[in-house]
Amino acid sequence: NAGVMQNPRHLVRRRGQEARLRCSPMKGHSHVYWYRQLPEEGLKFMVYLQKENIIDESGMPKERFSAEFPKEGPSILRIQQVVRGDSAAYFCASSETTGYINQPQHFGDGTRLSIL
Amino acid sequence: GIQVEQSPPDLILQEGANSTLRCNFSDSVNNLQWFHQNPWGQLINLFYIPSGTKQNGRLSATTVATERYSLLYISSSQTTDSGVYFCAVIWAAGNKLTFGGGTRVLVKP
Repeated sequence: NAGVMQNPRHLVRRRGQEARLRCSPMKGHSHVYWYRQLPEEGLKFMVYLQKENIIDESGMPKERFSAEFPKEGPSILRIQQVVRGDSAAYFCASSETTGYINQPQHFGDGTRLSIL
Repeated sequence: GIQVEQSPPDLILQEGANSTLRCNFSDSVNNLQWFHQNPWGQLINLFYIPSGTKQNGRLSATTVATERYSLLYISSSQTTDSGVYFCAVIWAAGNKLTFGGGTRVLVKP
């Protein structure tokens, strides 16, 4: 499967725990994006990363959320001390090197995070 | 930031019917994509169409960038077409997709 791979598909955490969401981009893609979809809403941009660099984090909550895309391995979205309001579907997307023209973004199947 | 509006918000179709979904955006874009989110929550790429017309089976899309809108056509709808259809754009100055609110489609047998 050459698509964007996200794991886990479902994640249950208790309030105060940490959640780690993983994303492996499509082969050959060096750009990764994270989006959040709250229940009954559209997707909202969170962060855009290239290898070892955060390019745009304008959609990330100021506290408890962080993201990385290391030189080796998947991109990680980390949520510390989760609260009920963090319950959502988190989608990762990837694209090829953009140059001056934005390439299409390809999405994974998402991680459904539920906070008890 | 850019505003993306989709209409109608909800659409109920009888199997076999045709329909048109609309996406209006408030500024110049250099990327426009249409997605189908199926009842299992998966987001399926339908079209990458910053301008022009494309067709894929029973679906086609047209973007008129100068007039800031895009249309998605569904012909001979099937129950498997049910779900939410999202339009998303990248504003000329950025890299992030801004999504519209979606059109929820229900195709009845």
